[in-house]
Amino acid sequence: EAQVTQNPRYLITVTGKKLTVTCSQNMNHEYMSWYRQDPGLGLRQIYYSMNVEVTDKGDVPEGYKVSRKEKRNFPLILESPSPNQTSLYFCASRPGTGGILSGYTFGSGTRLTVV
Amino acid sequence: AQKITQTQPGMFVQEKEAVTLDCTYDTSDQSYGLFWYKQPSSGEMIFLIYQGSYDEQNATEGRYSLNFQKARKSANLVISASQLGDSAMYFCAMRERQRSYNTDKLIFGTGTRLQVFP
Repeated sequence: EAQVTQNPRYLITVTGKKLTVTCSQNMNHEYMSWYRQDPGLGLRQIYYSMNVEVTDKGDVPEGYKVSRKEKRNFPLILESPSPNQTSLYFCASRPGTGGILSGYTFGSGTRLTVV
Repeated sequence: AQKITQTQPGMFVQEKEAVTLDCTYDTSDQSYGLFWYKQPSSGEMIFLIYQGSYDEQNATEGRYSLNFQKARKSANLVISASQLGDSAMYFCAMRERQRSYNTDKLIFGTGTRLQVFP
């Protein structure tokens, strides 16, 4: 089954303790992206990657890092989490080509709470 | 920059009735795509329907249809014959040109929470 897999689904952590949220897709998609969802703000892009070793900042990158060493994986790293990073996180992927019709596939989301 | 506006934070509809969720957008691009996603309480994002800017006919997918009015820059979602399982958050989204790498991303509205009652 074609899918984007995020882990963990739920995470509670303490301020300052480094964490990684994993994202893996099995569709050979070139483009991958991380979003965070907050009430009243919708989803906002954190980082995106066009392909292996090609990443760039989205709209809200502060406090996050990403890496793309393999095509299928795009982990989101919080080096020193803070309470304002409590949010629902989504990983999404799509083919690199295909133009405007290319659909996005979303992971199931990771609900992160930083206390 | 492009923008998506959903002005209805919440909507109520009785089962079996139709409901329209509003979405307006702002873009200077000639070629763009508009999406609607459903987010149930479990949290996942479920793709519902897509409309391309050059599509002359309104998109339909089962009970979902997109009322696309290009001149007004609106892309309202119409759900016919509402069901209790339609209760969820609904997001309108548009593809926006990314700053670099000649690619694009999805931008989202703030969402509308739909409650269907018996």
